Amino acid sequence: RKEVEQDPGPFNVPEGATVAFNCTYSNSASQSFFWYRQDCRKEPKLLMSVYSSGNEDGRFTAQLNRASQYISLLIRDSKLSDSATYLCVVSLNTGGFKTIFGAGTRLFVKA
Amino acid sequence: SQTIHQWPATLVQPVGSPLSLECTVEGTSNPNLYWYRQAAGRGLQLLFYSVGIGQISSEVPQNLSASRPQDRQFILSSKKLLLSDSGFYLCAWSTQGRSGNTIYFGEGSWLTVV
Repeated sequence: RKEVEQDPGPFNVPEGATVAFNCTYSNSASQSFFWYRQDCRKEPKLLMSVYSSGNEDGRFTAQLNRASQYISLLIRDSKLSDSATYLCVVSLNTGGFKTIFGAGTRLFVKA
Repeated sequence: SQTIHQWPATLVQPVGSPLSLECTVEGTSNPNLYWYRQAAGRGLQLLFYSVGIGQISSEVPQNLSASRPQDRQFILSSKKLLLSDSGFYLCAWSTQGRSGNTIYFGEGSWLTVV
């Protein structure tokens, strides 16, 4: 079982749609959680951290369920510019921090 | 503010040739530094990480090596490239804060071994 698993997609949605990405992690000792965005042939960039209480940044909402070891990202009112690969990231302290990246979920937003 | 730069951005190298990718970080001191590789259509693979000058940990045994000659400089090298070394190489640094270990990437280097 992979340490961080994501649905690879691709997700094809029309502009204005709401889309949700799910991610599960296997290590219950995981401490920090993030979503990154990666555009084609570019480096991954931090989209948002994920807090236990859930957090929102504009059209983006992240949720964490520690009991189920599950993380989600919701994008409302999708824009063409949201087309990218979204990476689920988990960090745990193993004497030094270990950061694990999911393989990513590809999103295409169509006009 | 902190910035990270790596170079070259793109290179095409013949099999058996050497490799040197360089990365520098500005605006912070004693960062954790990383080299990742992303093969076409694949996820990120951690190759090396460093917590200080001269301290290198290897995650995947292969024909690559890394060095950290200065606090904010990280170098990825190979003496003889293989076709399988082709990919997108990313240098990164991290800081530890409220959100945990947050990683920031350089622009990446596209390597094609022919």
